[in-house]
Amino acid sequence: KNEVEQSPQNLTAQEGEFITINCSYSVGISALHWLQQHPGGGIVSLFMLSSGKKKHGRLIATINIQEKHSSLHITASHPRDSAVYICAAATGQGNLIFGKGTKLSVKP
Amino acid sequence: EPEVTQTPSHQVTQMGQEVILRCVPISNHLYFYWYRQILGQKVEFLVSFYNNEISEKSEIFDDQFSVERPDGSNFTLKIRSTKLEDSAMYFCASREVWGQFFGPGTRLTVL
Repeated sequence: KNEVEQSPQNLTAQEGEFITINCSYSVGISALHWLQQHPGGGIVSLFMLSSGKKKHGRLIATINIQEKHSSLHITASHPRDSAVYICAAATGQGNLIFGKGTKLSVKP
Repeated sequence: EPEVTQTPSHQVTQMGQEVILRCVPISNHLYFYWYRQILGQKVEFLVSFYNNEISEKSEIFDDQFSVERPDGSNFTLKIRSTKLEDSAMYFCASREVWGQFFGPGTRLTVL
């Protein structure tokens, strides 16, 4: 059974800090997704990656297939980055197995 | 920009009643999914749908659940006889090569 583990569960940062959220998964996957969930509940897709690194604005996602590990980095964090960040592993069929999420709070 | 839409945004029902949650996926997507998130818990996969049939379902998706794509645009999730534990946020998603796109969710409250 594939499990997805995230750390930390909760993270508080000061505005401007560099943030890292980690994700590990237990079996082979077709892709790894990073998602953002806002307090209202809506889920936004940030990245889908199967190798290497992707960057979008201040967000960077990396994945190491051999180590079954991925990280999400936020540079120059801002209070509007406050949300729950979720790592999800895609199976061969494309359905997602979700981690429990990391609740990020960025203080001004 | 195309988006996945879901209706209603909030549904309140009595235990034992049938509910239908509706989704309109992005029009050129071929894979569709339902997920649920019980309050305070992680998101869980329910079912995936491709080529007008279920391609995979989880243990949660028992005989009380069904999915349908009745008219080529809507994608529905039916719960035949709701239980208290069905109270959750239900998300529909559709997929293209670059990733999954989620709808805003339907909050189902079973009383």
